Amino acid sequence: IKMTQSPSSLSASVGDKVTITCQASQDIKYYVNWYQQKPGKAPKLLISDASNLETGVPSRFSGSGSGTDFTFTIRSLQPEDFATYFCQQYDNFPPYSFGQGTKVEI
Amino acid sequence: EVKLVESGGVVVKPGGSLRLSCAVSGFSFEDYAMHWVRQRPGQGLEWVGLISSDGSTVYYGDSVKDRFTISRDNRKNSLSLQMNGLRPDDTALYFCARALLWQQLTDWGQGTLVTVSS
Repeated sequence: IKMTQSPSSLSASVGDKVTITCQASQDIKYYVNWYQQKPGKAPKLLISDASNLETGVPSRFSGSGSGTDFTFTIRSLQPEDFATYFCQQYDNFPPYSFGQGTKVEI
Repeated sequence: EVKLVESGGVVVKPGGSLRLSCAVSGFSFEDYAMHWVRQRPGQGLEWVGLISSDGSTVYYGDSVKDRFTISRDNRKNSLSLQMNGLRPDDTALYFCARALLWQQLTDWGQGTLVTVSS
């Protein structure tokens, strides 16, 4: 299954709403995770099962979607949110394919 | 505190072999499936493989199948990635990660860098 993530990068300001999409090449129900990765750091799981916010993750992050189309949203961008975000599917494995990533820049 | 520490990354020549290790602490290792994920310099994430909690089931990504082997020693809280037939495009930062129910990679190490170059 191929995960097509867009955009590959975006520029935004503090306080902006940011939306990232992932499209799966076939129906993957709701089996999508979203990760955040900051430079030089390991990825961090933010959202599982398309919309389930992990414990401790701020509520400005959210996810939605099912089937082939998924959306990740940051409601009000904060300085610490500048990072790269990846989607990952786990409906049909192997492999647990990742999207190409979206770099959120100032 | 959950901790995962990868080691073993070095510079190796094409065609060579290398064994990476992931030492874990802070959780019951034998209860969790584990993944390896890699990231080429400046690139995205690529899933390498998965091993079940008891080691009986292993899956690999297409690009490493038949060259890489994942194993684990639950007595030593240790995960390994044996890499053979290394190619320049295997150059990457290799992460180990703990998985919840196989699907969610909830905890990651900081990675170990493998460079394949003559």
